[in-house]
Parts: sequence; C-alpha cells; structure tokens
Amino acid sequence: NAGVTQTPKFQVLKTGQSMTLQCAQDMNHNSMYWYRQDPGMGLRLIYYSASEGTTDKGEVPNGYNVSRLNKREFSLRLESAAPSQTSVYFCASSEATRPAYEQYFGPGTRLTVT
Amino acid sequence: AQKITQTQPGMFVQEKEAVTLDCTYDTSDPSYGLFWYKQPSSGEMIFLIYQGSYDQQNATEGRYSLNFQKARKSANLVISASQLGDSAMYFCAMREQEGYSSASKIIFGSGTRLSIRP
Repeated sequence: NAGVTQTPKFQVLKTGQSMTLQCAQDMNHNSMYWYRQDPGMGLRLIYYSASEGTTDKGEVPNGYNVSRLNKREFSLRLESAAPSQTSVYFCASSEATRPAYEQYFGPGTRLTVT
Repeated sequence: AQKITQTQPGMFVQEKEAVTLDCTYDTSDPSYGLFWYKQPSSGEMIFLIYQGSYDQQNATEGRYSLNFQKARKSANLVISASQLGDSAMYFCAMREQEGYSSASKIIFGSGTRLSIRP
C-alpha cells in the first residue's frame, strides 16, 4: 500500500516549457487535490476532483490544467511554465467515509522554473 | 470567504513543556471542520487532529489536543510534553460544508515553525 505517489520528485524547466505532474493513489479514494506551497507559506489549492470525471478550480488555478484520468490518477499540467510557478506541488486524496475527512498527501514535487 | 490566520511565525519551547499554537478562522458557513497538520523538514504533510464544528467535545489524539472555542472562532493546537521530534512547521486548515462531499475546499493557514530546545 503505497498511499499517494507523485512523479517526478524534482524538475527544472525553462520559461515557456510544458510538463505534466503525475499523481496516483491506491486507497480507492474518490477525491483528489493539487496544492502548491511557496517558500515559508501554507498550501494553496490549485484544482480538485470530487470524483472520477469531475474537476473544479481552487484558489489559484490560473496557468494550470488538470485531468482525472481514472479513480486512481490525477495529473496537473503546466502548459507554459513561468518563474512564478516555482514551488513545491503536493497531491492529496481523501474519502468522505472517514470521520475526519483527512487528506493523505504525496511526498511533493519540487519544481523550479528558470 | 473562509480564512485561516496563524499569527505566530515561529516559536521556541523547552523540551517537555506544553506548547499552544494559535489558529483563528473566519467562515459564514455553520458547518465546517478544522484540521492541524505537521510538516517536518523532510517536507511531508502529516495529519494530526480534526475538529468538527458540531462536535461537543474538544478533539484529542495522544499528546495533541485541539482547544476549540467556537464563539471566538479559534482552534488552537496544544502539544503536551513536547519532544525534540515535534520540531516542525504546523499548519491549521479549514473545510466548509462538513458532512458534504469530501471534496469541499480546504484552506490552509501560513503556518507556525515550532522549535524544541533540549
């Protein structure tokens, strides 16, 4: 049981390049999330997916797109990377049947855009 | 709009002492939930404790307890008998519409860096 996995762990992009961050969970959770964490700050929600086939914007969706490929996988795409998108990206999943609605987080992807 | 405020950017505490990390929140939704997460220097996010807005008693999990004062809109985390391994960033977070879809938005505060002195 790996929990939430993310690939890659580290990535350096040049301004204008594109890339996709991958996230997968093996806990059979319905809901998945993408956050970014800038240095010294809390997490900000980019997009989330309540269930397979649905996605919704969070606090900071501009410059990103997402795909809920199936129940397990939720990817985040940067179409044209900008230095302002340098951050650590976390994927998370949750299940409403748990009393605490807690989110389980992946280890993060550290992205640098030069 | 919902908002989480953590006013202590950093704290130093002597080992074995109790510590209180402050969190205030703002929401117009009568149904919400409050979380605390720990982020060690390794970077992972670790769930600590949860409090629902309709819960009658304050939540406790081992050495962690949540001092929930609904009228004051505060949800402070109390760590008893602090240990060196408690040194980390601590984030308070809130979700509205408790009891609805698990995909309700969760908003995080800016965090408090706790350092435990031996």
